[in-house]
Amino acid sequence: DTEVTQTPKHLVMGMTNKKSLKCEQHMGHRAMYWYKQKAKKPPELMFVYSYEKLSINESVPSRFSPECPNSSLLNLHLHALQPEDSALYLCASSLIRAIHSGNTIYFGEGSWLTVV
Amino acid sequence: EDKVVQSPLSLVVHEGDTVTLNCSYEVTNFRSLLWYKQEKKAPTFLFMLTSSGIEKKSGRLSSILDKKELFSILNITATQTGDSAVYLCAVEGGRGGGADGLTFGKGTHLIIQP
Repeated sequence: DTEVTQTPKHLVMGMTNKKSLKCEQHMGHRAMYWYKQKAKKPPELMFVYSYEKLSINESVPSRFSPECPNSSLLNLHLHALQPEDSALYLCASSLIRAIHSGNTIYFGEGSWLTVV
Repeated sequence: EDKVVQSPLSLVVHEGDTVTLNCSYEVTNFRSLLWYKQEKKAPTFLFMLTSSGIEKKSGRLSSILDKKELFSILNITATQTGDSAVYLCAVEGGRGGGADGLTFGKGTHLIIQP
């Protein structure tokens, strides 16, 4: 089973709203990721959590706030977003292997976000 | 900065043809190269390559990595209309941590005509 579950699948929010995207996996993966994908563009890395600690933040604006409550859950809190933040937000997870080995990264179905 | 370049960016072929998709990369502390297929939703994992010269194969799809030339190809034989998708190449570069995330190429948009 290589399932990463994301909710909600679709979200429309106003620029003054606060909302959250949720992600869950039960594969025992200890790395979890958030990516952003705009239409007709490849996914872009936003955040990486390793062992429930934030290890990579790709200079993402503070209106995006990630949270990893435990090894199975990953949230992305959204506040005061702009219309240009409208995109597909992908959660992913992987094992954490030794530095010379690769990590197979599995993606969830994504959450389509529209900011109005 | 890690860089992944895919070619061609788009390709239209007829059902039954064989296609070869290309991916070149520049990455600090290479760990792995991954291929994904993306239709209208999330990327679906196809292959992960870490060693040079060893072909990975799954049905009609195969892929190989050349770490000397910093290059990978994805082959699809006897294409079917269900192979129509965007094929994404991504690399994982080591930043010294256990999990480093992926840098993606722009993808190859493959269309298989009946």
